[in-house]
Amino acid sequence: DTGVSQNPRHKITKRGQNVTFRCDPISEHNRLYWYRQTLGQGPEFLTYFQNEAQLEKSRLLSDRFSAERPKGSFSTLEIQRTEQGDSAMYLCASSFGQGYSGANVLTFGAGSRLTVL
Amino acid sequence: GDSVTQMEGPVTLSEEAFLTINCTYTATGYPSLFWYVQYPGEGLQLLLKATKADDKGSNKGFEATYRKETTSFHLEKGSVQVSDSAVYFCALSDRGRGKLIFGQGTELSVKP
Repeated sequence: DTGVSQNPRHKITKRGQNVTFRCDPISEHNRLYWYRQTLGQGPEFLTYFQNEAQLEKSRLLSDRFSAERPKGSFSTLEIQRTEQGDSAMYLCASSFGQGYSGANVLTFGAGSRLTVL
Repeated sequence: GDSVTQMEGPVTLSEEAFLTINCTYTATGYPSLFWYVQYPGEGLQLLLKATKADDKGSNKGFEATYRKETTSFHLEKGSVQVSDSAVYFCALSDRGRGKLIFGQGTELSVKP
């Protein structure tokens, strides 16, 4: 078990460019979550997958954001036409859960930091 | 919607002092409650959890009790160490999809 892996760890890009982040969850975990964290704030939920199905998207996830989990394993988060306001840490987390979960413990990756110039 | 409110930081304590970080929540159902910790330069780590009213979560000397009547989950430690310096996040989890809703975090700095 190598934990949740995120790449790249840091991405610097110019406004208007597209960026893609990858998350490799713990292999036996069926649930995968993306969060965004800005300085001094708690993580904000972006989207959730159960296996390959994207079951929930936050209103924070504008049309420029898209996430996929094509085979129910790794996931990608793409941001198109980046804006300076997109600068943040993007966190991925995974868990194993089925239906009602009394304590669905999320394991987080180290995050991918995006800086938009 | 569901939300979590934490006491604002930063909190600065001397080593061996008693720690309390307040956390209250608003939820329509019966959430599970968590404390996560983020050490400098590291990712979020689960510190402790509680799944129902009156449950006490504990780990590494930290404790928190799920109080349904006051909708609170305050974090306590009897004697803090310099190595406890970190940002602490209170969170609740909806029982359907398990997503976490976080508070804004409380930075703790422990001085020798």
